[in-house]
Amino acid sequence: GESVGLHLPTLSVQEGDNSIINCAYSNSASDYFIWYKQESGKGPQFIIDIRSNMDKRQGQRVTVLLNKTVKHLSLQIAATQPGDSAVYFCAESNDYKLSFGAGTTVTVRA
Amino acid sequence: DTAVSQTPKYLVTQMGNDKSIKCEQNLGHDTMYWYKQDSKKFLKIMFSYNNKELIINETVPNRFSPKSPDKAHLNLHINSLELGDSAVYFCASSQDLRGDGAKNIQYFGAGTRLSVL
Repeated sequence: GESVGLHLPTLSVQEGDNSIINCAYSNSASDYFIWYKQESGKGPQFIIDIRSNMDKRQGQRVTVLLNKTVKHLSLQIAATQPGDSAVYFCAESNDYKLSFGAGTTVTVRA
Repeated sequence: DTAVSQTPKYLVTQMGNDKSIKCEQNLGHDTMYWYKQDSKKFLKIMFSYNNKELIINETVPNRFSPKSPDKAHLNLHINSLELGDSAVYFCASSQDLRGDGAKNIQYFGAGTRLSVL
């Protein structure tokens, strides 16, 4: 499952497939970016972060890619599992605060 | 132990009432925040405090007044509640206001769902 290019509010993905969630950020001066996962009834939970001097960072089953030229951020989830069903937010850091994107709801099909 | 805890989890009240939401963090962080999440899941910063000092006030109505008695607590008091205040309110904390990497990561509470009738 993949949301390509523009941000899409929902993404449906088959269990076991890879997911790609896209995010466009607004401020070219932002120097730090975070992806959060929010499960139903819970608060946002940190997944992975990346600084503006990097273009890729990998975690456990997740990879974040940063393209500063087009102000684009993506989160790739490998071998998506049912527990990955949630709303995913990107956030950019500047002026002492985090500004959150609109969120993408990921639904994993069994 | 819950790192960032807020109470109550649910709050149902009438228009015009005054209510408070409490937040506590046991992470030893210097900075705390309040966010509002609307029905479309959009998260917006309301306030941030660093070592009990107000840093960010995002043009929130005066009816909302945060109070930080110490750096582990940031409470939110709301006067004269309106229908449009219905939302989920999240408290968060980070190690520092501005720092590299991990110091900037914000940890969120489970949220308080406020319903104004």
